Amino acid sequence: AQKITQTQPGMFVQEKEAVTLDCTYDTSDPSYGLFWYKQPSSGEMIFLIYQGSYDQQNATEGRYSLNFQKARKSANLVISASQLGDSAMYFCAMREEPNTGNQFYFGTGTSLTVIP
Amino acid sequence: NAGVTQTPKFQVLKTGQSMTLQCAQDMNHNSMYWYRQDPGMGLRLIYYSASEGTTDKGEVPNGYNVSRLNKREFSLRLESAAPSQTSVYFCASRRFRETQYFGPGTRLLVL
Repeated sequence: AQKITQTQPGMFVQEKEAVTLDCTYDTSDPSYGLFWYKQPSSGEMIFLIYQGSYDQQNATEGRYSLNFQKARKSANLVISASQLGDSAMYFCAMREEPNTGNQFYFGTGTSLTVIP
Repeated sequence: NAGVTQTPKFQVLKTGQSMTLQCAQDMNHNSMYWYRQDPGMGLRLIYYSASEGTTDKGEVPNGYNVSRLNKREFSLRLESAAPSQTSVYFCASRRFRETQYFGPGTRLLVL
C-alpha cells in the first residue's frame, strides 16, 4: 500500500484565489510527522510546512496552512492568495518515528499552475 | 553556510561505467539521505545514514552503495551504471526531529 497518496496530478488556480492540495497517508504508528515541499521548475526542494501527529492545532506558515484530519489520515495543504510564483510541483511526505524516524515517504506530487 | 552541496550537477555515463556522487553538509546534521526522483514517482529513498559510521537501506537500494565518510559527507556510488539509473539524485540532511534540507540535485543520464 502507498504510504502517501496525492490524487491530483495537476491543479489550476486563479491568481489571488486559495487552493487546496490533497494528501492522504497510511501508517499504523502513533507518532509521525507530515511535511509539504515545493519544487519549482529550477528543481530544488523547498520545505514549506510541518505537522506532528500529536500537534493539536493545524500548522500555519504565512500563506501556507496544513489541514490535518487525523481520523481521515489526511494532511491537505492550503495556499491562500495564490501568486504566480506558487506555480510548482508540491510534494507531501511522511516521516515515521520508529527506527529513529529516518524513513521518509513521498507522494507522487501535484503540479500547481497559477493563472494570471 | 552553503547548506547541502552536491557534485556533479550533471553527468552522462555509458552503461557499465562507475561513478560516485558526492554530498556534503555544513549544518552539523546527524542524518543524511540519498533519494532518486523519477517522473511520476516522487522521491524514493535509496540509502540513509542516521549518524557517522552507520548506513541503512531505503526503498530502492539495489545497484547502489554508500559511504558516510565523516559527519559532513555522504557519497553514493554506482558500481556498474544501468539505463534504469537515469534519474535526478538528491542528497538531504537533517537534525533529529527536524525537517530535511535538500541539495540542488544531480542529473544523471546513463546511455
